[in-house]
Amino acid sequence: NAGVTQTPKFRILKIGQSMTLQCTQDMNHNYMYWYRQDPGMGLKLIYYSVGAGITDKGEVPNGYNVSRSTTEDFPLRLELAAPSQTSVYFCASRKGSGGATDTQYFGPGTRLTVL
Amino acid sequence: AQSVAQPEDQVNVAEGNPLTVKCTYSVSGNPYLFWYVQYPNRGLQFLLKYITGDNLVKGSYGFEAEFNKSQTSFHLKKPSALVSDSALYFCAVLAYGNNRLAFGKGNQVVVIP
Repeated sequence: NAGVTQTPKFRILKIGQSMTLQCTQDMNHNYMYWYRQDPGMGLKLIYYSVGAGITDKGEVPNGYNVSRSTTEDFPLRLELAAPSQTSVYFCASRKGSGGATDTQYFGPGTRLTVL
Repeated sequence: AQSVAQPEDQVNVAEGNPLTVKCTYSVSGNPYLFWYVQYPNRGLQFLLKYITGDNLVKGSYGFEAEFNKSQTSFHLKKPSALVSDSALYFCAVLAYGNNRLAFGKGNQVVVIP
């Protein structure tokens, strides 16, 4: 299994541009998550999904959108990039079938800079 | 609500000395507790978890953690630190029936040669 993969690894955007961060998992996990990590701030949850067709907001959803049309893919969309969205973005997934007993796995991250 | 506190920003330890990274949690009901490690420019890697049973949990790379219900703590330990253990460590908690982990802010561990 490749696990959780994310593309691109790095991206520089201009203010107002849009882009989609891709996330794919091949573990047949039901739950998927998007986090952002800012220096010294830990992880903040942006959006999550408990299955195909179901998404929900996390702590910091403003400026982002998600969709979950398949079990494998959970793309994160930035419509109008702002400097405040400069961050490292992590996608994660877990099975979600055993209550809390399954482990959450993370992708390698996408480093985004908005200038 | 569920939350995690990692009270120290940075932990400095000499190579070969014991390493402890502290974590306390707050959750309604039984907690499920996790430790993750993040090396520079990498994603988070799972180290270990406590679900039920023995309070002492052993994980990857020689790490272990002790669940203490009365003190609501889940401290990460390693008997003898290596320079390669220098990384950012995250504690996380999940309440049964909840959909998402609550992460602490992370602790930077620096192992001094």
